[in-house]
Amino acid sequence: GEDVEQSLFLSVREGDSSVINCTYTDSSSTYLYWYKQEPGAGLQLLTYIFSNMDMKQDQRLTVLLNKKDKHLSLRIADTQTGDSAIYFCADAQGGKLIFGQGTELSVKP
Amino acid sequence: EAQVTQNPRYLITVTGKKLTVTCSQNMNHEYMSWYRQDPGLGLRQIYYSMNVEVTDKGDVPEGYKVSRKEKRNFPLILESPSPNQTSLYFCASSSNYPNTGELFFGEGSRLTVL
Repeated sequence: GEDVEQSLFLSVREGDSSVINCTYTDSSSTYLYWYKQEPGAGLQLLTYIFSNMDMKQDQRLTVLLNKKDKHLSLRIADTQTGDSAIYFCADAQGGKLIFGQGTELSVKP
Repeated sequence: EAQVTQNPRYLITVTGKKLTVTCSQNMNHEYMSWYRQDPGLGLRQIYYSMNVEVTDKGDVPEGYKVSRKEKRNFPLILESPSPNQTSLYFCASSSNYPNTGELFFGEGSRLTVL
């Protein structure tokens, strides 16, 4: 079936930029999403990108989409300790969201 | 306050003892879904419902049942729980799915089956 892959862990220092990567296999994806899960909580939609876009910026967040390579990334500028969380990319396929495994971002002071 | 409410948040039970995890949303959303979250596997969809009285299997429906008799409620039923159903469960809802994919999630229900 269709698949969404992420690395499991990323550790950065406070103030640095974080880049979380995701690859997907479905060539017919129309929307791709980033969700954030803080400890002990449910997921919250962080941002999304339509498949005809290459980039989307929203304050400290930049989403890059490379459709040819089926690669999605989330860059967080000036990473703060409050950004520590699990980040999931997700691909809308046939009326449902397929989630990646989640990348646990650890921000060290 | 717009929210998705799940109960119970934590539950320890024994193999074979039927249980129900309730889910309720107050946003008048048509779409509701159940996921389970396991380490290294991300979220996997169990069942979903596009509207009242319409339910469909997700990727891992075995051992689960659902019902959608009212728009706001979408309970998850484990008729005979087994240890491999030990997991963190999330209910989610949306009004505009799948076009924007903005799912609103509950806080999760951590289930342990002994």
